[in-house]
Amino acid sequence: AQSVSQHNHHVILSEAASLELGCNYSYGGTVNLFWYVQYPGQHLQLLLKYFSGDPLVKGIKGFEAEFIKSKFSFNLRKPSVQWSDTAEYFCAVPGALVGGSQGNLIFGKGTKLSVKP
Amino acid sequence: DTGVSQDPRHKITKRGQNVTFRCDPISEHNRLYWYRQTLGQGPEFLTYFQNEAQLEKSRLLSDRFSAERPKGSFSTLEIQRTEQGDSAMYLCASSTDQETQYFGPGTRLLVL
Repeated sequence: AQSVSQHNHHVILSEAASLELGCNYSYGGTVNLFWYVQYPGQHLQLLLKYFSGDPLVKGIKGFEAEFIKSKFSFNLRKPSVQWSDTAEYFCAVPGALVGGSQGNLIFGKGTKLSVKP
Repeated sequence: DTGVSQDPRHKITKRGQNVTFRCDPISEHNRLYWYRQTLGQGPEFLTYFQNEAQLEKSRLLSDRFSAERPKGSFSTLEIQRTEQGDSAMYLCASSTDQETQYFGPGTRLLVL
């Protein structure tokens, strides 16, 4: 079965520091990959996604992620974090394909990012 | 606001009572998903509809849980004979085929 691992439970950074959050998935084929973000008191929002093509994907608010098939990884990066990036970040992959399209998503446990001003 | 909406946002109930939650998806989205999220965990899939057809159900969805989407628009999730272990955030999401899932604000359930 498909699974997703996020390596860091809680990351604390100062503003302007660089960020990399790890995400590994278990499926060996081509997958769609997602990063969602949940800001305090808000609902889950899509940060970026990879479906195909260029493995370096750019998302909103300066975030990017790189799909490395050989490492089963889809790590999230940002060169310089801001206090407003304080949030919980979830990596997700489709858990099952129904008729060739995505069904449910399987989420990692999330990484809580705290940025100190 | 044309996003996914959920009602109620919070529900406190006593063990053994039945509760029902509603989700209104984005209007042109034919797929609707229910997830459950507990503290320290990512969302866990419960069930999903394509139009009015319920296509997948997780083993997490015990026989006390039932979901419907009668006209292919809004959906309800009912939990019968609630237990303390049902306390969680219940999330609804919607999408078009093969597209990104958009999440609602969730219904936080507390079972006393």
